[in-house]
Amino acid sequence: EPEVTQTPSHQVTQMGQEVILRCVPISNHLYFYWYRQILGQKVEFLVSFYNNEISEKSEIFDDQFSVERPDGSNFTLKIRSTKLEDSAMYFCASGGTAGEEQFFGPGTRLTVL
Amino acid sequence: AQTVTQSQPEMSVQEAETVTLSCTYDTSESDYYLFWYKQPPSRQMILVIRQEAYKQQNATENRFSVNFQKAAKSFSLKISDSQLGDAAMYFCAYRIYGNKLVFGAGTILRVKS
Repeated sequence: EPEVTQTPSHQVTQMGQEVILRCVPISNHLYFYWYRQILGQKVEFLVSFYNNEISEKSEIFDDQFSVERPDGSNFTLKIRSTKLEDSAMYFCASGGTAGEEQFFGPGTRLTVL
Repeated sequence: AQTVTQSQPEMSVQEAETVTLSCTYDTSESDYYLFWYKQPPSRQMILVIRQEAYKQQNATENRFSVNFQKAAKSFSLKISDSQLGDAAMYFCAYRIYGNKLVFGAGTILRVKS
């Protein structure tokens, strides 16, 4: 069964460093999303991406964040200068149509020291 | 703004018994989707069940069923014949067509043997 994959599963970085979180959505999906979950809290929307551009972003998704679909298969989230409060689980999700459910990847745990 | 409220931070159920998790939401939209996601300790987000708001019939998926009350903006999840593997965090979520998921704060379900 097709699934969303994410790498790495766990990333440890120093405050101020750049990180890139990678996702491979399900191959025929057109809608892509990033969410994050700070430990013990609810899942929060970061950004959605469709037709090679951002379709919506939350107030969390400031200038430190960017997304890219560089090669038609990968979908990346970059954080330019990490802060301690960026420590969270980051989930990638994809959907085939606008009405279909979103399929989540296993997440990347980001720890900022 | 759309909001999702899960008023039960934690619930317990005896194995083989039935438990109901509550969810209410606030929206001005008439057409939308509702979901229940399960998050086990691995933190993977697993879709349990979905409901389209235009459908009057409550969704069912094996031991999982919902009670969707559109006028009351209520969407509860019933788990019958609870199993140890059902122990997890359960998130209620809302979305409109093509849009982001909005999650509730979650309910921890503990299953006692």
